[in-house]
Amino acid sequence: DIQMTQSPSSLSASVGDRVTITCRASQSISSYLNWYQQKPGKAPKLLIYAASSLQSGVPSRFSGSGSGTDFTLTISSLQPEDFATYYCQQSYSTSITFGQGTRLEIK
Amino acid sequence: QVQLQESGPGLVKPSETLSLTCTVSGGSVSSGSYYWSWIRQPPGKGLEWIGYIYYSGSTNYNPSLKSRVTISVDTSKNQFSLKLSSVTAADTAVYYCARDYQYCSGGSCQLIFDYWGQGTLVTVSS
Repeated sequence: DIQMTQSPSSLSASVGDRVTITCRASQSISSYLNWYQQKPGKAPKLLIYAASSLQSGVPSRFSGSGSGTDFTLTISSLQPEDFATYYCQQSYSTSITFGQGTRLEIK
Repeated sequence: QVQLQESGPGLVKPSETLSLTCTVSGGSVSSGSYYWSWIRQPPGKGLEWIGYIYYSGSTNYNPSLKSRVTISVDTSKNQFSLKLSSVTAADTAVYYCARDYQYCSGGSCQLIFDYWGQGTLVTVSS
């Protein structure tokens, strides 16, 4: 399986901050990388697909970049509703895997 | 608007088989553009993909669960189902069904989970 490692595992930030979450794959996955946001008690929500494409309806403060093994999710100016857990996911391999998650908390 | 809804027992005894169904509305499981997945999340932990099915019945499973998993599709009911055998407490989780959109660019395609059910908690306990 391709292992996906996110860093940091948790992060404290304030409203208005710029935040970056990193996801590293154990082997090259081209741009087969998606990002999801999950709030407590809710299903994950697709934010970014194919490493850098913004899903319809997702605010433009979210952006993604990277290819190969290293990827980032950036939130340009944190809003109160952005405090959640974020997961990366690869579909390069036929065995789909997720990162362990990054919990974004209010400072 | 596509909606997915999981249904099935919330409590399963150890060694028995977990069975869940996902009913799709606002879209068709017979659409050739999509695959249909099951994903689970143990309490307080991360997401684990279980497997997917195509409308034709073709399947792909997580290697770590493959020996115990069966996913099937019923196009007449617009549903797909999960069976997980020989369950233990480690299988206690929220189980989600999801639609896998096949995004293709530059001659290659990847799967994206664009719609999810609300999830259903299944507890394995005697």
